[in-house]
Amino acid sequence: ETGVTQTPRHLVMGMTNKKSLKCEQHLGHNAMYWYKQSAKKPLELMFVYSLEERVENNSVPSRFSPECPNSSHLFLHLHTLQPEDSALYLCASSQSQGFEQYFGPGTRLTVT
Amino acid sequence: GNSVTQMEGPVTLSEEAFLTINCTYTATGYPSLFWYVQYPGEGLQLLLKATKADDKGSNKGFEATYRKETTSFHLEKGSVQVSDSAVYFCALPSQAGTALIFGKGTTLSVSS
Repeated sequence: ETGVTQTPRHLVMGMTNKKSLKCEQHLGHNAMYWYKQSAKKPLELMFVYSLEERVENNSVPSRFSPECPNSSHLFLHLHTLQPEDSALYLCASSQSQGFEQYFGPGTRLTVT
Repeated sequence: GNSVTQMEGPVTLSEEAFLTINCTYTATGYPSLFWYVQYPGEGLQLLLKATKADDKGSNKGFEATYRKETTSFHLEKGSVQVSDSAVYFCALPSQAGTALIFGKGTTLSVSS
């Protein structure tokens, strides 16, 4: 595998389910990010991790819980989501914060 | 803080037409500037970048020049192809340097 991978690519979940999104980067980068991309809305930065420490959390509801166990992996744990959380969730990594970012293909999440 | 504004879309062109997508920025100092492209069903890809004033970034026939006098970084291509149909994002680092700030995106549709 090369670049940034995300699994699953598509996910349908009910509002009472618990699921996790996984992101893995094979670039040797030190920073990782979660973004939310909704139709007709700008890209929303959710979380920033640098050297496995969370450095930014942009007022994201607690039903989204990130985890960064090491510099190559990033998870987004989901529970009791709402239909308005349906979106494309993008993971990205960069050599360091503020540098050019490399994105994964995204996970298309649908909350029913 | 730093911010970026790009022209509203959609932009609709015929094949071989000239393309310009406007991007202006507000920033402290002279940060790097980026253009990203998102093809349907995919994540964002770095298209080109410029790291200092008067630099020209180029890739795949696209160009953008970092102009500090006009605080602009307009994307241009001399002859677009159907395969260029995508959403284009202008970006720059946040003032805190923790992540990139993206414009709202401009949708380009090229017909044959």
